[in-house]
Amino acid sequence: EVQLVESGGGLVQPGGSLRLSCVASEFTFSASNMNWVRQAPGKGLEWVSYISSSSSTRYYTDSVQGRFTISRDNAKNSLFLQMDSLRDEDTAVYYCATKGRTTCSWCMAVWGQGTTVTVSS
Amino acid sequence: SYVLTQPPSVSVAPGQTARITCGGNNIATNSVHWYQQKAGLAPVLVVDDDRDRPSGIPERISGSSSGNTATLTISRVEAGDEADYYCQLWDSSSYQYVFGTGTKVTVL
Repeated sequence: EVQLVESGGGLVQPGGSLRLSCVASEFTFSASNMNWVRQAPGKGLEWVSYISSSSSTRYYTDSVQGRFTISRDNAKNSLFLQMDSLRDEDTAVYYCATKGRTTCSWCMAVWGQGTTVTVSS
Repeated sequence: SYVLTQPPSVSVAPGQTARITCGGNNIATNSVHWYQQKAGLAPVLVVDDDRDRPSGIPERISGSSSGNTATLTISRVEAGDEADYYCQLWDSSSYQYVFGTGTKVTVL
């Protein structure tokens, strides 16, 4: 079964940094484009960042551009999100997600269980 | 940036049909995907590319899209369908994924 497992969440002060990780199993990670999606407490889903399979293309939502950096290590089936200059409004559950084996265009068929980031003093 | 608008809530009796709309400018020219999210769990893809169902999704759940509105239809609603539902598309003009505002479906 295709699986994504996130880690690295926690409590951090405003202005601080945190690095999230997502480890993939049971699918060809190196051929898969990957995403980070977040959900603030009681709010809806918000896409955060995208990285292509070869890392050649990266996209970010406007609110994190210049503060967050997405990266990956295909040899270790791992996806990362380096989060710097964190703000209160970055508090959320962060999910990694990918389309997996589906043929859909730009959908996310496989999701991790999420890791919680809390930004507070 | 592209905006997808959903009704905040839809209430439906068991056995009836729930329709959840997703409004966006010329949305029918994009591929729209739908997710179901139950409390405390990660989202699950229930419809992709407007109307296709991933493996394991019951035929009671269907999608359509026309003009400025995409619609998720849940027929013969069951208690287990109670969840938040989100539409989503890829905005190629801004290179961003866009999620709808979300709709809470309550089974009466």
